[in-house]
Amino acid sequence: EVQLVESGGGLVQPGGSLRLSCAASGFTLSNYRMHWVRQVPGKGLVWVSRLNIDGSSTTYADSVKGRFTISRDNALNTLYLQMNSLRAEDTAVYYCARGYPAYYDSWGQGTLVTVSS
Amino acid sequence: QAVVTQEPSLTVSPGGTVTLTCGSSTGAVTSGHYPYWFQQKPGQAPRTLIYDTSNKHSWTPARFSGSLLGGKAALTLSGAQPEDEADYYCLLNYSGARVFGGGTKLTVL
Repeated sequence: EVQLVESGGGLVQPGGSLRLSCAASGFTLSNYRMHWVRQVPGKGLVWVSRLNIDGSSTTYADSVKGRFTISRDNALNTLYLQMNSLRAEDTAVYYCARGYPAYYDSWGQGTLVTVSS
Repeated sequence: QAVVTQEPSLTVSPGGTVTLTCGSSTGAVTSGHYPYWFQQKPGQAPRTLIYDTSNKHSWTPARFSGSLLGGKAALTLSGAQPEDEADYYCLLNYSGARVFGGGTKLTVL
């Protein structure tokens, strides 16, 4: 069974850092594009970042460019989102999702990040 | 970054038909934007209904269909059911960067 489980969320002060993890099971992460998407509770979805299949290319939303880094560990079959210089507006539930060639067929349950002093 | 626009809310009668649209601030939406449509119910993660304009996943009910209509991506629901009440989001691809629309709250009433 394909499963994605996010972890690493929590409360962090403005300017701080946090690393989110997305543990994949039931498939090999490196065979798929992977994405991070966030959502402020009660608000809409916002696409954050993408890692391509061979791991050589990354893309970011303008709002996180230069502050967030997407990566993966093939041995652990885990996707990461390193978030630096966090701002209050980064507060959201963060989801990982499996992209091409699975076309966003699987999503994690999300992990909540709260940026507040 | 491009802005993707959707109707904030729509209402459809049970058994009725409704079309949700997805526009782009950069011009017409084309197949090259690889439009996606997602459904999200309260407390749940999103679920993909349509990818690459009109393709369905195995779980997508037949009453949902995707298309391009008048320069926008469109999601048509024919024969609405009470369980279709949800938020719907489109996603467009801009040469690698993706942008979600603001979402449409669909009420079946």
